[in-house]
Amino acid sequence: EVQLVESGGDLVEPGGSLRVSCAVSGFSISPIYMSWVRQAPGKGLEWVALISSGGTTSYADSVKGRFTISRDTSKNILFLQMNSLRADDTAVYYCAKGGAKYGIDYWGQGTLVTVSS
Amino acid sequence: QFVLTQPPSASGTPGQRVTISCSGSGSNIGNNYVYWYQQLPGAAPQLLIFRNNQRPSGVPDRFSGSKSGASASLAISGLRSEDEADYHCSSWDDGLSGVVFGGGTKLTVL
Repeated sequence: EVQLVESGGDLVEPGGSLRVSCAVSGFSISPIYMSWVRQAPGKGLEWVALISSGGTTSYADSVKGRFTISRDTSKNILFLQMNSLRADDTAVYYCAKGGAKYGIDYWGQGTLVTVSS
Repeated sequence: QFVLTQPPSASGTPGQRVTISCSGSGSNIGNNYVYWYQQLPGAAPQLLIFRNNQRPSGVPDRFSGSKSGASASLAISGLRSEDEADYHCSSWDDGLSGVVFGGGTKLTVL
């Protein structure tokens, strides 16, 4: 059974940092694309970042230079390191299987990141 | 704000057929697959349609997708109360080199 379980969401002050994680079971993250997608309260979905099977990364302009997507293939875990956090980064962050041209086929349950003083 | 354009809301009565549109451009829908996701209240999105018009196993054939040029549509026939949800379209954008979404459509079953 495919499972993606996010963790690490928290309340952070503006300018702070946070790392969220996604523990994956049911498939290996190594040979596929993995993505992070976020959803601000009451808003639509916004793609944040993806990592390819070869480790190449891509980011939305809104987070470029501040967020870093990475993975530990030995533990089958996906990460999102978030620095210089702003109030408009407040959202539920979803880990997702897939991305790029071939779409997302599985989503985690999400983890809430709140940026506020 | 969203690269793909969806109507913010749609509605229908039980048994009716409703369609939700998704408009893009040549760099996204016009040249790439379209995906549709259903998001029930308080839940994570779930894949509803992939590669323009394919249904994952377990998705009822009441749901169908189509694409023409730089636009796509999701049709739901035999509307049921449990279809009340937010529906999001998505594609890849060659110019942005990123995944793009529509703003989502809230479907109300009257």
